Amino acid sequence: DIQMTQSPSSLSASVGDRVTITCRASQNIIRYLNWYQQKAGKAPKLVISAASSLQSGVPSRFSGSGSGTEFSLTINSLQPEDFATYYCQQSYSARTFGQGTNVEMK
Amino acid sequence: QVQLQESGPGLLKPSETLSLTCTVSGDSVTGSPYYWTWIRQPPGKGLEWIGYIHYSGSTLYNPSLKSRVTISVDTSENQFSLRLSSVTAADAAIYYCARDTGPRWDDAFDAWGQGAMVTVSS
Repeated sequence: DIQMTQSPSSLSASVGDRVTITCRASQNIIRYLNWYQQKAGKAPKLVISAASSLQSGVPSRFSGSGSGTEFSLTINSLQPEDFATYYCQQSYSARTFGQGTNVEMK
Repeated sequence: QVQLQESGPGLLKPSETLSLTCTVSGDSVTGSPYYWTWIRQPPGKGLEWIGYIHYSGSTLYNPSLKSRVTISVDTSENQFSLRLSSVTAADAAIYYCARDTGPRWDDAFDAWGQGAMVTVSS
């Protein structure tokens, strides 16, 4: 099984900050890595697929990078609506999620 | 635009079998190459992929749940279903159905249901 490890588990940030979340895979997953945003009481929403492909309607302040086993999600100029929990997920072999990163307001 | 809606009992006793159905609208479950997926989230915890089915009937399950899980599809009703046997308190969670875009370069869960809460209590 492929394990996904996110860091940090939580972070505190202010509006306007640049935030980066890291996701590490236990083996090479090429670029089969997706990022989801989940707000309280809601289903997750796909933000980025294939490591860096921004979904339609998602603001350009979101970006993804990486390949192989190391990936990152960056939010430039954090906005109030961006405070949420973010999950990475691999689709290279079966499916696995990271444990999540809670982005909270400082 | 595709919409998914979970339905099924919200309260189970230990050892019972969980049964949930996901009704798909705005798309067909026979749409290839989609995988129709179940994901769960215990209260306050992270997401766990349970498994998926292709309309052809092929399935893939999370190894940790494989012995207790069955996912099936009903193309005539445009639905797919989850059965999880011998539930315990550890199976209490929000259960989501989702569409997996299938074996392509940007394979991801691009549509989700709103989720169905399942409680396990004697």
